[in-house]
Amino acid sequence: GENVEQHPSTLSVQEGDSAVIKCTYSDSASNYFPWYKQELGKRPQLIIDIRSNVGEKKDQRIAVTLNKTAKHFSLHITETQPEDSAVYFCAAEGGADGLTFGKGTHLIIQP
Amino acid sequence: SAVISQKPSRDICQRGTSLTIQCQVDSQVTMMFWYRQQPGQSLTLIATANQGSEATYESGFVIDKFPISRPNLTFSTLTVSNMSPEDSSIYLCSVVLARDTQYFGPGTRLTVL
Repeated sequence: GENVEQHPSTLSVQEGDSAVIKCTYSDSASNYFPWYKQELGKRPQLIIDIRSNVGEKKDQRIAVTLNKTAKHFSLHITETQPEDSAVYFCAAEGGADGLTFGKGTHLIIQP
Repeated sequence: SAVISQKPSRDICQRGTSLTIQCQVDSQVTMMFWYRQQPGQSLTLIATANQGSEATYESGFVIDKFPISRPNLTFSTLTVSNMSPEDSSIYLCSVVLARDTQYFGPGTRLTVL
């Protein structure tokens, strides 16, 4: 089955700086890669996703890149703000299946 | 988007008992899933809730422990049977609304004493 590795487990950045979270996956058949943000006590919220026919996708301060050859994808957050503090999960899916999640990154924005 | 609700939002149960969690969506959806999130951990897929047929379980999860029903395209239940403290987790349903995009319900926080 699919295995998703996520790094780092904790990331602390100064407000206004950029944050990058990286994930690798094992199943070359996976073709859908979402990112979720989870605030304490709340449900995971989809923030951006990318499909295998696209190399990069951007939505305001958030971008995701995908390298299918290397089987890795990354989340980039620019101009970080205090409200970006949360746990971020990457995931991979290979069809009509559920998602396989990474272990999560606790992003801390320092004022 | 759709409104996804779960009942109960939280519960405290005694070991050996069972709890049934409901997931309701305000529109018909083809794909529905159940996940578990243990304290401080990531999400793990339990099973795919199939409408009109038996659920498809992931490795490590069995029907006797986590029976699932999906009577129609807007509703599903997950039962946690013969509970032990190790079952203390947040249980979340998710639905696919467009292509592969999954959205989660608010979760059910279960504590087993």
